[in-house]
Amino acid sequence: GAGVSQTPSNKVTEKGKYVELRCDPISGHTALYWYRQSLGQGPEFLIYFQGTGAADDSGLPNDRFFAVRPEGSVSTLKIQRTERGDSAVYLCASSLTASGGFNEQFFGPGTRLTVL
Amino acid sequence: AQSVTQPDIHITVSEGASLELRCNYSYGATPYLFWYVQSPGQGLQLLLKYFSGDTLVQGIKGFEAEFKRSQSSFNLRKPSVHWSDAAEYFCAVSTGGGNKLTFGTGTQLKVEL
Repeated sequence: GAGVSQTPSNKVTEKGKYVELRCDPISGHTALYWYRQSLGQGPEFLIYFQGTGAADDSGLPNDRFFAVRPEGSVSTLKIQRTERGDSAVYLCASSLTASGGFNEQFFGPGTRLTVL
Repeated sequence: AQSVTQPDIHITVSEGASLELRCNYSYGATPYLFWYVQSPGQGLQLLLKYFSGDTLVQGIKGFEAEFKRSQSSFNLRKPSVHWSDAAEYFCAVSTGGGNKLTFGTGTQLKVEL
């Protein structure tokens, strides 16, 4: 079956612009995670959803970052007033659920965001 | 808060040689421990995981890892490396709470033919 997909694969934008990054999880997965991977670093947790609700957004760096998952499937990460420091690969992962013990997270290929 | 240290940024081994990638974690209790591999243009793939029980865990692609509580370590090993193992390897921990992962900075593995 299809894995986690992310669009676009690459996004180049100018400082101050607004961007949206999309994640399509594996069908039937109720948990969805966003991570950010800066150059030379490991992925860093941003936010996760269980169903439609954001269960933990403690990793969002500031209020310019926001994510939604209105129907409990596709999620969009939104970044306002982009800054050069936002340049990174944004990774999405999904799992069957986020509760009841560990469930493997399946990662998408990521969206590479470049802010000029 | 938990943290993960991977002290080796780059490692080069010859094909057929053995491999050990180091990982140390900081957490008050025993976390869930993982090793992921990331190849260029590919998503992160889970190699193996440790929750409890036998401290030597087997994973995919011939990898294994050993949990040592006394050393707070979870090192990844492979007896004989193949050229296709060249990739970046990440150690990660989870302490429950939605299973969010904390990753190390990664070790880039180069395999010489």
